[in-house]
Order: sequence, then structure tokens, then C-alpha cells
Amino acid sequence: NAGVTQTPKFQVLKTGQSMTLQCAQDMNHNSMYWYRQDPGMGLRLIYYSASEGTTDKGEVPNGYNVSRLNKREFSLRLESAAPSQTSVYFCASSDFEAFFGQGTRLTVV
Amino acid sequence: AQSVSQHNHHVILSEAASLELGCNYSYGGTVNLFWYVQYPGQHLQLLLKYFSGDPLVKGIKGFEAEFIKSKFSFNLRKPSVQWSDTAEYFCAVVGPASKLTFGTGTRLQVTL
Repeated sequence: NAGVTQTPKFQVLKTGQSMTLQCAQDMNHNSMYWYRQDPGMGLRLIYYSASEGTTDKGEVPNGYNVSRLNKREFSLRLESAAPSQTSVYFCASSDFEAFFGQGTRLTVV
Repeated sequence: AQSVSQHNHHVILSEAASLELGCNYSYGGTVNLFWYVQYPGQHLQLLLKYFSGDPLVKGIKGFEAEFIKSKFSFNLRKPSVQWSDTAEYFCAVVGPASKLTFGTGTRLQVTL
């Protein structure tokens, strides 16, 4: 019973590099989310997808893109990483309550 | 735009003290409300949720929360905290279009 699976768990990038964070859920949920967590700022919503085929911006979308590949998968892409994107990223899926992945600790140097 | 405010950023309590953490949300329509807990180094886990019905909801580990619609509040309470309750607590709201928004969190430290 995997729930929400995020990969990778840790990543170090150089400024300007690109990468994609992967997220998959096996609970047949309609909604999926990407958050970043920074000390003292809680979880800030980057993008979300209320259903397969739709995506919407959250509070802090700049510098990120997303793809809702199918109902199970929702990926987050950093096209040109910046030090300000150093954070812990969480994916979540939900129909009524949200379930979270284990997080990705990303450092941009 | 929907938002969530948690006014207590850091709370320190002795074991067995009572706890109340404040949460206010801004959206005036129908909302679903949640409290999540994050233990050090872990991801968020659901403590309790409110969708409709009895405004006093009970969750895991002796936590409860009261939804007061007129005050746009959903405060978290526990009569007697334990050292193991040391964690960060997040209030969250789901409004229109399934948008799930979190507050900035309250760090609870329980001392022995």
C-alpha cells in the first residue's frame, strides 16, 4: 500500500540546471498538489491539479512547471534552478483528506 | 482568495498542560477544514477533519477541534499534552476548485 510516492528523496543541483520531481499516487484520487516547505513559512502551494487534464497555479508558481500525466502522476519541473528554490518539496493527493509523500529535499548551489 | 492564519508560531508547554492553537480562514463559502501534524523529519499526517455536521470534531491522540462558522475559526485543542506531542501543527482549508491551502504552522514544544 504505497500511497503517495515521490522521487528523488534528495537532490543537489547547480544554479541553472533543470530537473523533474516525480509524484505518483495509487489511491485513485482526483486532486494532486505540489508544495514547498520553508522554515517559518508553512507549506506554500506551487501548483495543483483538481482532476486529470487540469492544472492551476498556487501561491508561488514562478520558476516551476507541472504536468498531470494521467490520474496517477503529477510531476514538477524546475527549468532553470535558482538558490531560492532550495526547499523541501511535498506532493500530495486528495479526494477528501490529503495524503502526503515523504518529501524531496532539494538544494540549489 | 482563500487563506489560513495561524497566530501562534511557537508554543512551549509543560507536560499535562492544556493546549489550544488558533486557526482562522478567509473564505466565506463552503469549506472543508483540517489539522495536520508533522513530527520532526517526517511528512504531514492528518489529525482531524471537518466536512459538515457536529462542529466539534475529535481526532487521533486525544485532539479535538471546534468549527465556529461565525468566527471563521477552527481551533485545535487537547486537554493534557504529552512530550510526544512535540511537533509542528498545520491548519488547512479546501475551498473551491479543490484548492488545499495551509497556514504557516505552529511549532509546539512540550517540556517534561
